[in-house]
Amino acid sequence: GEDVEQSLFLSVREGDSSVINCTYTDSSSTYLYWYKQEPGAGLQLLTYIFSNMDMKQDQRLTVLLNKKDKHLSLRIADTQTGDSAIYFCAETDTGNQFYFGTGTSLTVIP
Amino acid sequence: DTEVTQTPKHLVMGMTNKKSLKCEQHMGHRAMYWYKQKAKKPPELMFVYSYEKLSINESVPSRFSPECPNSSLLNLHLHALQPEDSALYLCASSPQGLSYEQYFGPGTRLTVT
Repeated sequence: GEDVEQSLFLSVREGDSSVINCTYTDSSSTYLYWYKQEPGAGLQLLTYIFSNMDMKQDQRLTVLLNKKDKHLSLRIADTQTGDSAIYFCAETDTGNQFYFGTGTSLTVIP
Repeated sequence: DTEVTQTPKHLVMGMTNKKSLKCEQHMGHRAMYWYKQKAKKPPELMFVYSYEKLSINESVPSRFSPECPNSSLLNLHLHALQPEDSALYLCASSPQGLSYEQYFGPGTRLTVT
């Protein structure tokens, strides 16, 4: 099956930028997603990128995709305490499968 | 409106009880999903309904029984659960199948005693 890996933890100071990374193995990816999950809540779709794009920017969020290296990243500019959460990357492929990453717990230090 | 609603928010049930979880979306999505999530882990897919028909059952025990009464509603009937079934149960929907972005509800926190 597909492996989608993330670092478990990331800690940043308020106001700094956060970069959350994701690597995957599926070469037939179509869309890649970033979800945010706050404690006790469901998953919130933050943004997604089509696999033929390199970058997508949406306010404080920048998604970078390196398809050759199968590497996806999410940059959060001016990180705030409200950004503390678990972030999951996910991808779909041409085989109509949906895979979640292992999740990165982001802690923002005031 | 990208809202998926779920009820109840919390549920405590004994191993002999029968209960149901409910999920609703009004986005016109044609695919709906049930996931199980343990703490700090990614969601695990349980069932997929596509155009109101069960299209994927990820080898889920029969004590979990899904139902899709119409294109907006999805239920999960629970019977004779085990303590290890305690988890957050998430419902999601997408415009069509698994190749599209999914929108999640807030989840039902289930505790089996």
